[in-house]
Amino acid sequence: KAGVTQTPRYLIKTRGQQVTLSCSPISGHRSVSWYQQTPGQGLQFLFEYFSETQRNKGNFPGRFSGRQFSNSRSEMNVSTLELGDSALYLCASSSSGGTRETQYFGPGTRLLVL
Amino acid sequence: AQSVTQLGSHVSVSEGALVLLRCNYSSSVPPYLFWYVQYPNQGLQLLLKYTSAATLVKGINGFEAEFKKSETSFHLTKPSAHMSDAAEYFCAVMGLGGSQGNLIFGKGTKLSVKP
Repeated sequence: KAGVTQTPRYLIKTRGQQVTLSCSPISGHRSVSWYQQTPGQGLQFLFEYFSETQRNKGNFPGRFSGRQFSNSRSEMNVSTLELGDSALYLCASSSSGGTRETQYFGPGTRLLVL
Repeated sequence: AQSVTQLGSHVSVSEGALVLLRCNYSSSVPPYLFWYVQYPNQGLQLLLKYTSAATLVKGINGFEAEFKKSETSFHLTKPSAHMSDAAEYFCAVMGLGGSQGNLIFGKGTKLSVKP
């Protein structure tokens, strides 16, 4: 079974631009969560999608948004990029997002904002 | 609210020595706890998880962790370190209530293994 895939793996943008990251979950998984990893703040939860609906959201500004498609693939969008948005963005999938379930992580997209 | 504290941002051990990475959690109800490992430029890989079954949990690559409710701890151990164990390790608790469905991570512990 293929794992979680994320595209692109690396991205360089400039301040003020917007960016879209993509995540394809493990086949059959319907829950997709997004996390931001930075040296200063560590791993922080962004949001979770299940069956095309945002079910849970972390404490990030509205510039961070996401969506999920009917095939469970998910995209994350960041508008008006700031230098502080430079980070590794990780996507994780699980079967239904239950509290006992394991979340399987993709390799991440490394975003650099100049 | 749930939280996780990992004591020691860097731990260095010699090859063959015991590995002990500390994790303490804060939760008002029985938690679901996880240990993940991250190798350079890679995503997170699950090592093991506790979901209120046996208190001693065995994971991959010879790692295990013991859930101790009285100490609110979930320390990760491995009897004999290998060079390939050098990586960053994250302890996480599953959010409950309003935060259900997301992992709350500790700051991570970077493990170095000396030959």
